[in-house]
Amino acid sequence: AQKVTQAQTEISVVEKEDVTLDCVYETRDTTYYLFWYKQPPSGELVFLIRRNSFDEQNEISGRYSWNFQKSTSSFNFTITASQVVDSAVYFCALAHGTTGNQFYFGTGTSLTVIP
Amino acid sequence: ETGVTQSPTHLIKTRGQQVTLRCSSQSGHNTVSWYQQALGQGPQFIFQYYREEENGRGNFPPRFSGLQFPNYSSELNVNALELDDSALYLCACSLGGAGGRNEQFFGPGTRLTVL
Repeated sequence: AQKVTQAQTEISVVEKEDVTLDCVYETRDTTYYLFWYKQPPSGELVFLIRRNSFDEQNEISGRYSWNFQKSTSSFNFTITASQVVDSAVYFCALAHGTTGNQFYFGTGTSLTVIP
Repeated sequence: ETGVTQSPTHLIKTRGQQVTLRCSSQSGHNTVSWYQQALGQGPQFIFQYYREEENGRGNFPPRFSGLQFPNYSSELNVNALELDDSALYLCACSLGGAGGRNEQFFGPGTRLTVL
């Protein structure tokens, strides 16, 4: 079974604080992809990152960084020096590597950055 | 901007009615997936269309149906609307059919309210 768990429903931080959003996934596939999407109030899901199951190297993009650990089936997302514009709902998603068509989304973490 | 458009933006229907939602991509993405996102939840996969045929389906009843046209645009049809069908309907466009290797670009969604 494919499943994504985002245990943090809501997080509030003060501007410039660092914040980590947790994502734990379940899959029997050996080849799979993990994603993070941002959903601002407008509703459109904005792609942030995709990682495949064979690449555990952590990635940094500006203030964003991702920590992928297969040993704990986690793909956590950290925002450094948070800004008000980071306020949104963040979704972690899992997809099959070569078969199947659907993305499995977690329930999302609502992040509020307080100025 | 993902280049994916959806219409209408908002829609109000009553129980038992039928609704058609539309999705198009400016970027020539040949695969369209539809998701239902209830309030406070992550998107749930409804189905995917590739080469004008259904190419995978989630756990949704047959009253949810779709079409894909030669220009890759797509429609989602829902018959016999129920109150629980109230949700944000998202369309996602990608290239090449199955597999998480293909990033999905999401539209802004259609907010459907069933009274």
